[in-house]
Amino acid sequence: RKEVEQDPGPFNVPEGATVAFNCTYSNSASQSFFWYRQDCRKEPKLLMSVYSSGNEDGRFTAQLNRASQYISLLIRDSKLSDSATYLCVVITGFQKLVFGTGTRLLVSP
Amino acid sequence: DVKVTQSSRYLVKRTGEKVFLECVQDMDHENMFWYRQDPGLGLRLIYFSYDVKMKEKGDIPEGYSVSREKKERFSLILESASTNQTSMYLCASSPSGSDYNEQFFGPGTRLTVL
Repeated sequence: RKEVEQDPGPFNVPEGATVAFNCTYSNSASQSFFWYRQDCRKEPKLLMSVYSSGNEDGRFTAQLNRASQYISLLIRDSKLSDSATYLCVVITGFQKLVFGTGTRLLVSP
Repeated sequence: DVKVTQSSRYLVKRTGEKVFLECVQDMDHENMFWYRQDPGLGLRLIYFSYDVKMKEKGDIPEGYSVSREKKERFSLILESASTNQTSMYLCASSPSGSDYNEQFFGPGTRLTVL
């Protein structure tokens, strides 16, 4: 079983839609969680951290469920510019980042 | 603005050649990383360094070595390139001070080994 698993997608949604991705992790000792965004042929960039209490940044909301060992990302009012691959990242130790393979989102007009 | 640069965007080498991939960061970060990214496998850590002349193996170090002679520069070396090392190579850096700080990535080098 992979340490971090994501549905590869693609998720095809119209502009304005709400879309959610989940990511499951296998190491119950995982300490920190993040979502990165990677545009086509570009490098990954940090989108947001995921806290136990959940956190929101504009149209983006991240949630953590430690009991079920998954994190989620919700995007409201999707924009064309949200089209990208979203990488789930789990920290399991000192500078030990484990990346998911990513979920691809395509937002269409 | 943090900047991580990599020496080449695209590189084509032949099997058996020695390959050097260079990474430079301008934010005085202590930690530097080399990953490779392959379809269906995601990013996998090859090596990282938390100080000059220090290096630690990541998850897939076989066939690679690294060098960190200066704080700003981290080099990945393929001693004898093989076709299964065809991949996208991404360098990243982060400051020290806690278990995790945001990692800043370079634009990547797409290496093809023929």
